[in-house]
Amino acid sequence: GENVEQHPSTLSVQEGDSAVIKCTYSDSASNYFPWYKQELGKGPQLIIDIRSNVGEKKDQRIAVTLNKTAKHFSLHITETQPEDSAVYFCAAQIQGAQKLVFGQGTRLTINP
Amino acid sequence: ETGVTQSPTHLIKTRGQQVTLRCSSQSGHNTVSWYQQALGQGPQFIFQYYREEENGRGNFPPRFSGLQFPNYSSELNVNALELDDSALYLCASSHPVGGRAETQYFGPGTRLLVL
Repeated sequence: GENVEQHPSTLSVQEGDSAVIKCTYSDSASNYFPWYKQELGKGPQLIIDIRSNVGEKKDQRIAVTLNKTAKHFSLHITETQPEDSAVYFCAAQIQGAQKLVFGQGTRLTINP
Repeated sequence: ETGVTQSPTHLIKTRGQQVTLRCSSQSGHNTVSWYQQALGQGPQFIFQYYREEENGRGNFPPRFSGLQFPNYSSELNVNALELDDSALYLCASSHPVGGRAETQYFGPGTRLLVL
């Protein structure tokens, strides 16, 4: 089955700097890759997603890149702000399957 | 906010008891998926319901069961609770189109503690 590895497990950056979180997946049949942000005591909130027919997608300060050959995808957050502090999860879904397979999460801390 | 609601928000049970968790999907969504999130880990897929039928199941024992109702709301039932069942239970709603993976929107979760 699909397996998703996420790195780093913790990341601390200065406010205004960029943050990058990386994930690798095992099943080449995966074709949908969402990223979720989870704040304390809340459910995961979708922040951006990408499908396998696209190499990059950007939404304001957030971007995701996908390398299908290497089977990895990354989340880039620029001009970080204190409210970006949270746990971020990547996930992958195989076409035709029902489940999202999540990475282990990255705790991002933005230092003022 | 996603429009997905879950109840209750918190629950304490003792080992061996049974529990029912509830989820109301986002308007227009006909599919509900349930996930278990242990502390410090990513969510793990339990099962999915599509148009009132189970439509895929993860690696969870049969004591985890579910229902989906005609209004697409859903229940997760867990029998014979074990200490390891302590976790945040999340439901997510979506509306698959033509077999294409569609975004899953999560509710706030139910925190279950088994003593």
